[in-house]
Amino acid sequence: RKEVEQDPGPFNVPEGATVAFNCTYSNSASQSFFWYRQDCRKEPKLLMSVYSSGNEDGRFTAQLNRASQYISLLIRDSKLSDSATYLCVVRGGATNKLIFGTGTLLAVQP
Amino acid sequence: DTAVSQTPKYLVTQMGNDKSIKCEQNLGHDTMYWYKQDSKKFLKIMFSYNNKELIINETVPNRFSPKSPDKAHLNLHINSLELGDSAVYFCASSPLAGQGYNEQFFGPGTRLTVL
Repeated sequence: RKEVEQDPGPFNVPEGATVAFNCTYSNSASQSFFWYRQDCRKEPKLLMSVYSSGNEDGRFTAQLNRASQYISLLIRDSKLSDSATYLCVVRGGATNKLIFGTGTLLAVQP
Repeated sequence: DTAVSQTPKYLVTQMGNDKSIKCEQNLGHDTMYWYKQDSKKFLKIMFSYNNKELIINETVPNRFSPKSPDKAHLNLHINSLELGDSAVYFCASSPLAGQGYNEQFFGPGTRLTVL
């Protein structure tokens, strides 16, 4: 079983749609959780951290369910510029390294 | 103004050659990393240095040798390149090693192609 699992997509959605991504992680001792965004042929960049109580940043809402070892990202009112790969990332293991999921590809269409 | 920079951006070379990739960060961070992103886009950590000391060394062939001359630089030397080494290599840095919600800042990547 992969340490961090995501649906690879692609998710093809029209502008203005709401889209949700899910992610599960295998290590219950994982400590910190993130969503990174990676544009095509670019480096990953932090989109938002995911806190236990859930958190929101504009059109983006992240949720964490430690009991189910599940993380989600909700994007409301999708824009063309949201098209990218969204990487679910978990900090854990003996060295507290970042463990990346393989990413979910989002394509927002006009 | 570039926070984390890498050179070269592209590297095309023959099997068996030795090559180096350089990374520099001007963020004043203590910790630097090398990641490999393969053709399936899977991003995985290879090494991490904190203040010039190696703190993470994943299961990476001995042909890969990182070197950190100071905390702002982390270079990666690869000996006897193989076809399977073809990937994008990302350098990253963060303020503190493996703690909490510290963000990692990535360089633009070096796209290595081994022929």
